[in-house]
Amino acid sequence: NAGVTQTPKFQVLKTGQSMTLQCAQDMNHNSMYWYRQDPGMGLRLIYYSASEGTTDKGEVPNGYNVSRLNKREFSLRLESAAPSQTSVYFCASSGTGDQPQHFGDGTRLSIL
Amino acid sequence: QKEVEQNSGPLSVPEGAIASLNCTYSDRVSQSFFWYRQYSGKSPELIMSIYSNGDKEDGRFTAQLNKASQYVSLLIRDSQPSDSATYLCAVNWGYSGAGSYQLTFGKGTKLSVIP
Repeated sequence: NAGVTQTPKFQVLKTGQSMTLQCAQDMNHNSMYWYRQDPGMGLRLIYYSASEGTTDKGEVPNGYNVSRLNKREFSLRLESAAPSQTSVYFCASSGTGDQPQHFGDGTRLSIL
Repeated sequence: QKEVEQNSGPLSVPEGAIASLNCTYSDRVSQSFFWYRQYSGKSPELIMSIYSNGDKEDGRFTAQLNKASQYVSLLIRDSQPSDSATYLCAVNWGYSGAGSYQLTFGKGTKLSVIP
């Protein structure tokens, strides 16, 4: 009954460090998404993957890269972290068509 | 620019009352609509989906959709303190290419149910 699993749950980085946020879903969903949520800004889409082997930019892609490793896994990489990337990051997945998205528990990332 | 607007609140209602949460969206070309509940420090949790005009009821929750007015609402009957959370409205604009259906989220309405 896992749904969408994100790791790690918390992370503190120094400016310029890199890291990868991991996301895996066990619902056999085709589409996966990465969002960031900041106070007063709501949920903003960073990147998404409509199906295995495809990725595309969302609203705020600068400073991030993604990899759709297989149907289950979708990772988000920060190559050179900046304080402006301090946020809560959510991964989500959805089935085909206009089905709702289901969210992981989030990763709280602080960049000093 | 497709936009989803919600009153940020806070909306305060007494326990047992009906809470009414509203959402408007900018584009008539929209396919489906969702309400998510987000407790402080937690992730968004899907509570209602609605795809056609009219009302859809699920327990104490009723979603109402009026596509002509570009308006979707969520009613919570017999509100409980455990309903205190931020409620996010999300709109699916339909197929956006490359096999994707993206959601645009409102910024959420914070609901406080007073015992």
